[in-house]
Amino acid sequence: GENVEQHPSTLSVQEGDSAVIKCTYSDSASNYFPWYKQELGKGPQLIIDIRSNVGEKKDQRIAVTLNKTAKHFSLHITETQPEDSAVYFCAARVTGFQKLVFGTGTRLLVSP
Amino acid sequence: ETGVTQTPRHLVMGMTNKKSLKCEQHLGHNAMYWYKQSAKKPLELMFVYNFKEQTENNSVPSRFSPECPNSSHLFLHLHTLQPEDSALYLCASSQSPGTSGPSSYNEQFFGPGTRLTVL
Repeated sequence: GENVEQHPSTLSVQEGDSAVIKCTYSDSASNYFPWYKQELGKGPQLIIDIRSNVGEKKDQRIAVTLNKTAKHFSLHITETQPEDSAVYFCAARVTGFQKLVFGTGTRLLVSP
Repeated sequence: ETGVTQTPRHLVMGMTNKKSLKCEQHLGHNAMYWYKQSAKKPLELMFVYNFKEQTENNSVPSRFSPECPNSSHLFLHLHTLQPEDSALYLCASSQSPGTSGPSSYNEQFFGPGTRLTVL
């Protein structure tokens, strides 16, 4: 079955810096890759996703890139702000299935 | 607010108790999910329901019993739990595959979770 690895487990940056979180997946049949942000006391919130027919997607300060050949995808956050501090999860889903397979999460801390 | 609500938000129970978790979605979706989130581990899918029918059980022990009376409500009945079952239980909803067009990838929306502690 699908396996998703996520790095780093923790990431500390200064406000205004960029942050990059990387994930790799194992099943080449995966075609959907969402990213979730989870703040303390809340459930995961979808912040951006990418489908296998595109290589990059941007939404204001966040972007996701996908390399299907290498089977990895990354989340990029530019001009980080303290409110970006949270745990971020990547996930992958195999074509034809509903199951999302999640990474172990990255705790991002943005210091003022 | 994501349109998915869960009650209670916190629950403490003994190993011999019986309790239930409730989830309700106001998004018009027809698929609902239970996930378990434990410290230092990835979110684990437990059950999937489509149009009230259970379509996936991810080898979950029988002490967890789901119920889906309609597409908007999902329950997780708990009995004879173990301390290692302590975790955050998350409910999610989405459109079922094939119901929202070929361009949709059926994004899942999560509720805030129920923090369960088993003593």
